[in-house]
Amino acid sequence: DQQVKQNSPSLSVQEGRISILNCDYTNSMFDYFLWYKKYPAEGPTFLISISSIKDKNEDGRFTVFLNKSAKHLSLHIVPSQPGDSAVYFCARGPSGTYKYIFGTGTRLKVLA
Amino acid sequence: NAGVMQNPRHLVRRRGQEARLRCSPMKGHSHVYWYRQLPEEGLKFMVYLQKENIIDESGMPKERFSAEFPKEGPSILRIQQVVRGDSAAYFCASSPDQTGYLYGYTFGSGTRLTVV
Repeated sequence: DQQVKQNSPSLSVQEGRISILNCDYTNSMFDYFLWYKKYPAEGPTFLISISSIKDKNEDGRFTVFLNKSAKHLSLHIVPSQPGDSAVYFCARGPSGTYKYIFGTGTRLKVLA
Repeated sequence: NAGVMQNPRHLVRRRGQEARLRCSPMKGHSHVYWYRQLPEEGLKFMVYLQKENIIDESGMPKERFSAEFPKEGPSILRIQQVVRGDSAAYFCASSPDQTGYLYGYTFGSGTRLTVV
């Protein structure tokens, strides 16, 4: 079964520090990994993606790392801000399709 | 256009009733995707539609569930004879074409269905 697993349901971080959200996956047939952010009562919002041919992708305060040997994906937020408090989902999808598989999410709380 | 619009936001149905969930894609988007999030689980793909066509419904239960995206009007996800296990948050996403997966989809705020 092709899955993504987010083993930490919640994470608390001080404002200004680094937030690291983790995701493990099984199977390596997927070409795209994505992170989404979700605020309460809103839909998921796309944050950043990475192709399996890369190890790192950076966009402002957000960096995604892909460790293919460990089948591990992580999202780094530096510096963390209170507005980053949300639920973060990692997702994976086969190249050229829309059939994303989402993790169960990690609730990040950034403390002021 | 504020984005992908879903209504209602909350829907309560008794077992055996029908549920109709609506999704209006972003302006200019002709591709619609429905996802479902069951309690304690991640979002899962259900169905992919283009105007007047179902492209892929492989993630949708074979019975009681149907979806359409007519030439005019919103996409509709219809659940007949609802059961408690249908209680979930249903999200709709849209994209302008089939390459939308590369840039991440725009999701609506979802419809939370509760079956009592």
